[in-house]
Amino acid sequence: ELQLVESGGGLVQPGGSLRLSCAASGFTFGDYYMDWVRQTPGQGLEWVGRIRNRAHNYITEYATSVRGRFSISRDDTRATLHLQMDSLRAEDTAIYHCTRRDWALDAFDIWGPGTMVTVSS
Amino acid sequence: DIQMTQSPSSLSASIGDRVTITCRASQNIETYLNWYQRKTGETPKVLIYAASLVETGVPSRFSGSGSGTEFTLTISGLQPEDFATYFCQQSFTSPYTFGQGTKLEVK
Repeated sequence: ELQLVESGGGLVQPGGSLRLSCAASGFTFGDYYMDWVRQTPGQGLEWVGRIRNRAHNYITEYATSVRGRFSISRDDTRATLHLQMDSLRAEDTAIYHCTRRDWALDAFDIWGPGTMVTVSS
Repeated sequence: DIQMTQSPSSLSASIGDRVTITCRASQNIETYLNWYQRKTGETPKVLIYAASLVETGVPSRFSGSGSGTEFTLTISGLQPEDFATYFCQQSFTSPYTFGQGTKLEVK
């Protein structure tokens, strides 16, 4: 079964840090670009960032709102994706989903259930 | 950044209705446009990719059209399971922005 499962969410104070992880199974993780998408309290979806695969040099891309504060990495040997979040702000409060970008669709075809991040004092 | 604007933000309709949701891009994105359906308590599901291609397993009542800056998602003959929130998303260039969503509710 194709599956993504996030972990690492929680309550953090403004200015703090948090590291999210996403465990993948059921597919060859290393072949795919992987993205983080967040769902805000208002229920909108916001793309956070992407990491390409090894064949494309693990290039990363980020949303303007998180660039310089968030960092995406991956461990293909463990089929795991990470999101390091620093200098967190109240507006980063959201459910964070890891997603797989499908090659044929150029769309996010697999989503994890998400992990909640709350930034509050 | 490319801004994606959906209209309407919410829509009330009845079973059997034909509904259309519009998504406008702030610049030309050719046909790099995807549509997702999100039901309460579930993760988003791809319905349409490349503006008009229907994902495998998606009912034929769903269709997409458009190119450039204006796109539409049409549901022909609403079914009870179609009441959900719909999002467009551009895959033309980073950052890969989403529309704000259209909530489809029962009239």
